[in-house]
Amino acid sequence: AQTVTQSQPEMSVQEAETVTLSCTYDTSESDYYLFWYKQPPSRQMILVIRQEAYKQQNATENRFSVNFQKAAKSFSLKISDSQLGDAAMYFCAYKGGGSNYKLTFGKGTLLTVNP
Amino acid sequence: NAGVTQTPKFQVLKTGQSMTLQCAQDMNHNSMYWYRQDPGMGLRLIYYSASEGTTDKGEVPNGYNVSRLNKREFSLRLESAAPSQTSVYFCASSGYRIREAFFGQGTRLTVV
Repeated sequence: AQTVTQSQPEMSVQEAETVTLSCTYDTSESDYYLFWYKQPPSRQMILVIRQEAYKQQNATENRFSVNFQKAAKSFSLKISDSQLGDAAMYFCAYKGGGSNYKLTFGKGTLLTVNP
Repeated sequence: NAGVTQTPKFQVLKTGQSMTLQCAQDMNHNSMYWYRQDPGMGLRLIYYSASEGTTDKGEVPNGYNVSRLNKREFSLRLESAAPSQTSVYFCASSGYRIREAFFGQGTRLTVV
């Protein structure tokens, strides 16, 4: 069964600095997708970044980038130049490829950004 | 472009009452999901559906039933609500080629 583990319940960062959120997963599949979602206090779920397992290159979206280590089953999110608006709960998620469409989430990391 | 629409946004039930949470998507997605979110527990999958007429249990299906009425709609029913079902419920959908899930606004359900 696929599982997703976020070992940091809470993290904090100073505005303009860099922070890395950790995520590990367990799977026996070779084809899958990984995601980071952001949930601000409005509780809306917002996709931050996506990584396809078959791609060796790490995904990047503006100030957000990932470090995808397939062999280690690790998928960390780096936020550069942190802004106050980045404060939110961040969820790591796994979705199988092919006919496995189950989408599994970690427990989340609450990120605080200090001015 | 509405995306994923959930109704209602808020609901208070008495123990033993029943209700149905409605979810509809207009993105022609095949897969749909119901999650519950509790503090410190992340999003836990209740049920999911690959296509019209098919449903599968997730991690926490007990006390819930679902119906995939057609490609657009996926409803979640609580037959006899219990205080342990107090939570925020999210519906989501995803397509085959677009693998990420799109979420509704959530329903805050309180069972007293």
